[in-house]
Amino acid sequence: EAQVTQNPRYLITVTGKKLTVTCSQNMNHEYMSWYRQDPGLGLRQIYYSMNVEVTDKGDVPEGYKVSRKEKRNFPLILESPSPNQTSLYFCASSLTGQNYGYTFGSGTRLTVV
Amino acid sequence: RKEVEQDPGPFNVPEGATVAFNCTYSNSASQSFFWYRQDCRKEPKLLMSVYSSGNEDGRFTAQLNRASQYISLLIRDSKLSDSATYLCVVNRKKSWGKLQFGAGTQVVVTP
Repeated sequence: EAQVTQNPRYLITVTGKKLTVTCSQNMNHEYMSWYRQDPGLGLRQIYYSMNVEVTDKGDVPEGYKVSRKEKRNFPLILESPSPNQTSLYFCASSLTGQNYGYTFGSGTRLTVV
Repeated sequence: RKEVEQDPGPFNVPEGATVAFNCTYSNSASQSFFWYRQDCRKEPKLLMSVYSSGNEDGRFTAQLNRASQYISLLIRDSKLSDSATYLCVVNRKKSWGKLQFGAGTQVVVTP
């Protein structure tokens, strides 16, 4: 089944403890992207990647890191999480990013205390 | 001004009725346009792309007006299962990876 898989689905962590949210797609898509969704603010893009080793900042990259060492994987790293990073996170992928829509993962609900 | 703006609603629609709503975008360089639907904090799902000539997919019709910089979505014969938040998404050439999402329009279909 073609899909984007995020893990974990739910995570509660403490301020400052490094964490990684994994994202994997099995559709050989070139483009991958991370978003966060907060009430009243909609979906905001954190980082995106156009291909292996090619990444760029979205609208809210501060406090996050990404890497794209393999085409299928695009992990999101929070080196020192803070409570304002409590949010619902989505990973998404697209074949080319141009006229193709994105397929989203099921989301990761992160709480930083 | 936000790059992509939507009326948040809610649009309360009787079952079987027609509902339509718009999304405006500010960047004239925008090239690709999409409608997604999102159910109650679940992942957004692609509903349809929006083409220059307009396009239809079953009960859903999307239109693009480049002169006035808006896209529209019309839902005919509304079903209870159409209740969701509809997200407008815009993409720009030279920055295909950088999507701009609207905050969404909530539609509630009532029996």
